[in-house]
Amino acid sequence: GENVEQHPSTLSVQEGDSAVIKCTYSDSASNYFPWYKQELGKRPQLIIDIRSNVGEKKDQRIAVTLNKTAKHFSLHITETQPEDSAVYFCAASMAGGGADGLTFGKGTHLIIQP
Amino acid sequence: KAGVTQTPRYLIKTRGQQVTLSCSPISGHRSVSWYQQTPGQGLQFLFEYFSETQRNKGNFPGRFSGRQFSNSRSEMNVSTLELGDSALYLCASSLSPGEETQYFGPGTRLLVL
Repeated sequence: GENVEQHPSTLSVQEGDSAVIKCTYSDSASNYFPWYKQELGKRPQLIIDIRSNVGEKKDQRIAVTLNKTAKHFSLHITETQPEDSAVYFCAASMAGGGADGLTFGKGTHLIIQP
Repeated sequence: KAGVTQTPRYLIKTRGQQVTLSCSPISGHRSVSWYQQTPGQGLQFLFEYFSETQRNKGNFPGRFSGRQFSNSRSEMNVSTLELGDSALYLCASSLSPGEETQYFGPGTRLLVL
């Protein structure tokens, strides 16, 4: 089945700086890659997603890039703010419903230092 | 639209007991997936239901089961509880299995003593 590796496990950045979280996946059949943000004690919230027919997608301060050849994708957050502090999860799946549902990375704890 | 809801939010059980958790998807969503979240293993896929049928199942023992009703509400059941079943159980709904975007409920936190 699919395997998703996520790095780093913890990332501390100064407020206003950029943060980058990277994920790699193993199954070349995966073609849908969402990113979820989970604040302490709350549900995972979808913040951005990308499909394999697109190399990059941007939504205000958040962007995701995908390299299908290398099987990796990254989340970029610019001009970080205190409310960006949370755990971020990347995931991969096969559109149409892969056998494994969404396969998640282990998460990155993003800490924004004031 | 109301979001995904789950009941109960918190549950304490003892080893050997069984538990049933409930999930109501977003109105109009017909696909429900269940995930287990633990600090050690992260988020792991349990199973997915669509049109009252289990479409996919993750790598969990047969003690974990589920079902879906005609109104798309879903339940999951864990029998013969073990200490290691302590976790946050999340359900997520989507329009259909082909619609990848999944929206999560708040979860049920289960503690097994």
